[in-house]
Amino acid sequence: AQTVTQSQPEMSVQEAETVTLSCTYDTSESDYYLFWYKQPPSRQMILVIRQEAYKQQNATENRFSVNFQKAAKSFSLKISDSQLGDAAMYFCAYRFYLTQGGSEKLVFGKGTKLTVNP
Amino acid sequence: DTEVTQTPKHLVMGMTNKKSLKCEQHMGHRAMYWYKQKAKKPPELMFVYSYEKLSINESVPSRFSPECPNSSLLNLHLHALQPEDSALYLCASSPGKGGVDTQYFGPGTRLTVL
Repeated sequence: AQTVTQSQPEMSVQEAETVTLSCTYDTSESDYYLFWYKQPPSRQMILVIRQEAYKQQNATENRFSVNFQKAAKSFSLKISDSQLGDAAMYFCAYRFYLTQGGSEKLVFGKGTKLTVNP
Repeated sequence: DTEVTQTPKHLVMGMTNKKSLKCEQHMGHRAMYWYKQKAKKPPELMFVYSYEKLSINESVPSRFSPECPNSSLLNLHLHALQPEDSALYLCASSPGKGGVDTQYFGPGTRLTVL
């Protein structure tokens, strides 16, 4: 069964600094997708970044980038130039696709609460 | 537009009440999801609808009854709930066409069962 582990329940960073959130996962599949979602205190879950396992290149979205190590089954999120608005709960998620029915299932880690200090 | 809307935002109900949660999307997505999220926990999948048919039921108690009247709407009917059912209920949708199907989440309904 696929599992996702986030070993850092809480992290803090100074505004304008860089922080890295860790995520490891377990799977026997060779092709899959990984996501980082952000859930601010206002609670709406927002997609931050996604990575396709067959792609060697690490995904990047503006100040957000990932370090994807497929062999190590590691998928960390780096936030550069941290801003106050980055404060949120961050969830790492593994997605597997259900060929029957054309839907998908996300398995989430327990989350990392990020605090940004001014 | 990547908006999923949910109503109501907040709901308080007694254990004998019947209520419904509503979710709507107009992105042409064909897969829709209900999640339950307790405080400081990740979302837990409850149901998945694909092309208006129930494709996943994660062993959810029968007091939760999902309904997908059409491709844009998803309801969750609630009856005889327990206080431990109090949680944030999230709806999500995805294109449902394979490939990289990103799920887009609504803001949620905060449910309190007295």
